[in-house]
Amino acid sequence: DAGITQSPRYKITETGRQVTLMCHQTWSHSYMFWYRQDLGHGLRLIYYSAAADITDKGEVPDGYVVSRSKTENFPLTLESATRSQTSVYFCASSESKWNWGAFFGQGTRLTVV
Amino acid sequence: GQQVMQIPQYQHVQEGEDFTTYCNSSTTLSNIQWYKQRPGGHPVFLIQLVKSGEVKKQKRLTFQFGEAKKNSSLHITATQTTDVGTYFCAGLADTGNQFYFGTGTSLTVIP
Repeated sequence: DAGITQSPRYKITETGRQVTLMCHQTWSHSYMFWYRQDLGHGLRLIYYSAAADITDKGEVPDGYVVSRSKTENFPLTLESATRSQTSVYFCASSESKWNWGAFFGQGTRLTVV
Repeated sequence: GQQVMQIPQYQHVQEGEDFTTYCNSSTTLSNIQWYKQRPGGHPVFLIQLVKSGEVKKQKRLTFQFGEAKKNSSLHITATQTTDVGTYFCAGLADTGNQFYFGTGTSLTVIP
């Protein structure tokens, strides 16, 4: 089915561990984004990608790593998880960078203990 | 840096009442987008406005972009329980490569 899917939906990990959140889209959108959502902060951009092998930092990139070897996948890795990275993470895709709406995945609720 | 502020943060209305949320930017925007997020769900794109003074309607929802392109509003007429959720605006600054989401307005509709 066409769309954007994230996995896992829920994840609990320990401080210091590496964790990877997966994102897959079937629309062949050029742009993909990772946001985190926290109470009182709304949605904040972590990283985005314009195409395969092209990524750039967003508003809050520290502690995160992304890659995009294929157009349809955009994984987000927390290299050494901290409690401040407990959040809901949303992946999104769009035909345009900021000039049209983005389609969001279902989100991954990450808890770092 | 440029920020997009939304008010109110929370709004409770009786079913059938109207609802309005406001989005204000410290700088001029090239566009403004609106999203809806149901409780426990993900943001869903509703609409984009790009022209000064633009007004667009989707059934009971009316979206407006200010003349100065620094503010926007979303008005819902005769709210229904299906309108429950958080409404976010998001704007692209026309001075550079900055796109920010507002903090959202959480709407509760009391049956």
